[in-house]
Amino acid sequence: QQPVQSPQAVILREGEDAVINCSSSKALYSVHWYRQKHGEAPVFLMILLKGGEQKGHEKISASFNEKKQQSSLYLTASQLSYSGTYFCGTGTTDSWGKLQFGAGTQVVVTP
Amino acid sequence: DAEITQSPRHKITETGRQVTLACHQTWNHNNMFWYRQDLGHGLRLIHYSYGVQDTNKGEVSDGYSVSRSNTEDLPLTLESAASSQTSVYFCASSIGNAGETQYFGPGTRLLVL
Repeated sequence: QQPVQSPQAVILREGEDAVINCSSSKALYSVHWYRQKHGEAPVFLMILLKGGEQKGHEKISASFNEKKQQSSLYLTASQLSYSGTYFCGTGTTDSWGKLQFGAGTQVVVTP
Repeated sequence: DAEITQSPRHKITETGRQVTLACHQTWNHNNMFWYRQDLGHGLRLIHYSYGVQDTNKGEVSDGYSVSRSNTEDLPLTLESAASSQTSVYFCASSIGNAGETQYFGPGTRLLVL
């Protein structure tokens, strides 16, 4: 089943922070975050594994709460380049590398 | 550099025609995937393969087929194109272990008239 992302969209001014959530009804082994710019392919940001640590990529970080089957992506001090659609992809121990993707969260960062 | 490529990047075809979209990766990845992306639906899995001669159906496989004769390629065939198959198609690959991330090709925009 597809994970649920929230919010669907968010508008930020440069320098503001935002949180994107990804929730699953299944027990998760991994959560993968991607960013997609308009007309381009999704680009891998980071992966969080069960039992792993919180990850970071520049001023973008993420956490994984295994008990709640949730992951959150944190955009800190947003930059114009952070604009795009963010997807979470979730994997389970029996999914053998397959991912279920959320519907995406559109992020617009304005000057 | 290792990469994943798709061709063509854009395709216009007519209803009822057979169409094949190519996907080629040079990472020597075992797993390859085909997705379609439509507004409001995110990425939906069409077919996937865990290795040569292995193919499996995803959640939206009707009207599509794949074959895997070598590690590098997973072509996607639309047997008889329908307007509902107008979409953006992405190919992805991963090493093959649970928890390994997928890397996406640049995509193919397909319009079925």
